[in-house]
Amino acid sequence: EVQVLDSGGDIVQPGGSLRLSCVASGFPFRSYAMSWVRQAPGKGLEWVSGISGSASGTYYADSVKGRFTISRDNSKNTVYLQMNSLRVEDTATYYCAKARTTLTTGLLDSWGQGTLVTVSA
Amino acid sequence: DIQMTQSPSSLSASVGDRVTITCQASQDISHYLNWYQQKPGKAPKLLIYDASNLETGVPSRFSGSGSGTDFTLTITNLQPEDFATYFCQRYDDLPYTFGLGTKLDIK
Repeated sequence: EVQVLDSGGDIVQPGGSLRLSCVASGFPFRSYAMSWVRQAPGKGLEWVSGISGSASGTYYADSVKGRFTISRDNSKNTVYLQMNSLRVEDTATYYCAKARTTLTTGLLDSWGQGTLVTVSA
Repeated sequence: DIQMTQSPSSLSASVGDRVTITCQASQDISHYLNWYQQKPGKAPKLLIYDASNLETGVPSRFSGSGSGTDFTLTITNLQPEDFATYFCQRYDDLPYTFGLGTKLDIK
């Protein structure tokens, strides 16, 4: 059974940093791309970042480019999202999701339960 | 960026009804369109991928159609567990934009 478990959300001040983690199981991890998608309270979904199975390709939404970094450790079945220079508007529940293929990070077929990031003074 | 216009934003229906939700892309996205269902406090769930393919395990009362710029999600014989919010998403190219969602509630 595919399982995706995201964690690391917390309350942080504007300008601060946070690292989210996502541990996956039940499938050959290195063969699949992974993505992060966020949802501000009461709002819609926003794709944030994606990484190919081999980590050779990383992709970002313009809203986070230069501030967030996605990475993965295939030996630990884990993907990370390092978030720096956090802004109030980054406040959201962040979901980690498994992609359908090794390269394309947009078709997301299994999702974590979400982890809440609150950016507030 | 390509914009995704989803309508209606909300919809009231009864158990057993047939409902249709539409999603329009501002440019041709071919068949690269997915539909997700989200219930309160839960993660989104993939229902339909590539415009018309039913995800494994999803009931056959869900169906998707369309290509290019106009897409439709249809739910027939609505069941109590179908009352949720539905999002379309394009993934032809970055950024992978979602529609604003359609909240389906009980009439």
